[in-house]
Amino acid sequence: KNEVEQSPQNLTAQEGEFITINCSYSVGISALHWLQQHPGGGIVSLFMLSSGKKKHGRLIATINIQEKHSSLHITASHPRDSAVYICAVSPWGAQKLVFGQGTRLTINP
Amino acid sequence: NAGVTQTPKFRILKIGQSMTLQCTQDMNHNYMYWYRQDPGMGLKLIYYSVGAGITDKGEVPNGYNVSRSTTEDFPLRLELAAPSQTSVYFCASSYARVSNQPQHFGDGTRLSIL
Repeated sequence: KNEVEQSPQNLTAQEGEFITINCSYSVGISALHWLQQHPGGGIVSLFMLSSGKKKHGRLIATINIQEKHSSLHITASHPRDSAVYICAVSPWGAQKLVFGQGTRLTINP
Repeated sequence: NAGVTQTPKFRILKIGQSMTLQCTQDMNHNYMYWYRQDPGMGLKLIYYSVGAGITDKGEVPNGYNVSRSTTEDFPLRLELAAPSQTSVYFCASSYARVSNQPQHFGDGTRLSIL
């Protein structure tokens, strides 16, 4: 079993829909990262959080440390949100990130 | 803003050839990382460095070598290319530990070994 599991693996939605991507992990962590990988391949960091909730524009990330679970929400989704969204955790005491397999999101106009 | 720059973007190698993937960052970051991304799999850490002169193995270091002679540069060396090393390689950097700082990624190098 992977230390970081994302669901769903693939998600197709219509423009304007509210999107939720889930991430569960099995180890104690000091931080959780959400990343976006564009169709061209580049990877950008969206959020880094260790508790609570963060918001940036239409994107919201939440984390429940007790449940070892995080969600990434996209409000009023747009075709330009189509990308692979990757969850990664920083285990306690480690100098590295452990990555989930990613969720491929497609937003149709 | 250059950020993290990787070269080349694409490369085809024959089995047994060697090559160096270049990575440089202009953000004065201490921490640098090399990952590989295989289809349907999460990113796997190959090697990382916490500062000039210091490197350490990640999850999948076999078949690769690194050096960190300067803060800016962190090249990845493949000595005897094998088909199993066909992958997309990403270099990343962060100012401090990933428990405290986000990572900045290069655009990737797509490598095929034939």
